[in-house]
Amino acid sequence: GENVEQHPSTLSVQEGDSAVIKCTYSDSASNYFPWYKQELGKRPQLIIDIRSNVGEKKDQRIAVTLNKTAKHFSLHITETQPEDSAVYFCAASSTSGGGADGLTFGKGTHLIIQP
Amino acid sequence: GAGVSQSPSNKVTEKGKDVELRCDPISGHTALYWYRQSLGQGLEFLIYFQGNSAPDKSGLPSDRFSAERTGGSVSTLTIQRTQQEDSAVYLCASSLMGQGVGEKLFFGSGTQLSVL
Repeated sequence: GENVEQHPSTLSVQEGDSAVIKCTYSDSASNYFPWYKQELGKRPQLIIDIRSNVGEKKDQRIAVTLNKTAKHFSLHITETQPEDSAVYFCAASSTSGGGADGLTFGKGTHLIIQP
Repeated sequence: GAGVSQSPSNKVTEKGKDVELRCDPISGHTALYWYRQSLGQGLEFLIYFQGNSAPDKSGLPSDRFSAERTGGSVSTLTIQRTQQEDSAVYLCASSLMGQGVGEKLFFGSGTQLSVL
């Protein structure tokens, strides 16, 4: 089955700086890679996703890049703001089948924005 | 409803007791998922329901865990003879179509289970 590794487990950056969170996956059949953000005490929410037919996707201050050859994908947040503080989860999925949409989550990265 | 609803939000129980956790998915969503989130851990898949198909139970950690989904809507996760290691946040999520589509999951707020 799929194995998703996520690094770092904790990331502290100064407000205004950029943050990068990296994930690797093991199943070359995976073709869907979402990122979920979970603020303290709240439910996880999808913030961006990418499919394997593209290498990069942007949405305002966040972007995701995908390297299928190396089987890794990254979340980039620019001009970080206090409201970016949260736990971020990456996930990988093979839409070719498997339970629960074949979605396997990483263990999460606690992003701390220092004022 | 407007979103995925879970109850109770908090549950404290004694070791050995049974507990039931409820999830009410978004109306019209055919897929429903249960995940477990332990402190400092990721989202551990437990069970998945898709329409009228047999559920995917591959993530249930032991036979003390079971779940059902009645009428294709509300789901109940039951943990029998609870153990302290069952303490975690139990998250429910739903999606419109489910398996094989790579869809957005809509999560509930979770049930914080504490086993004393």
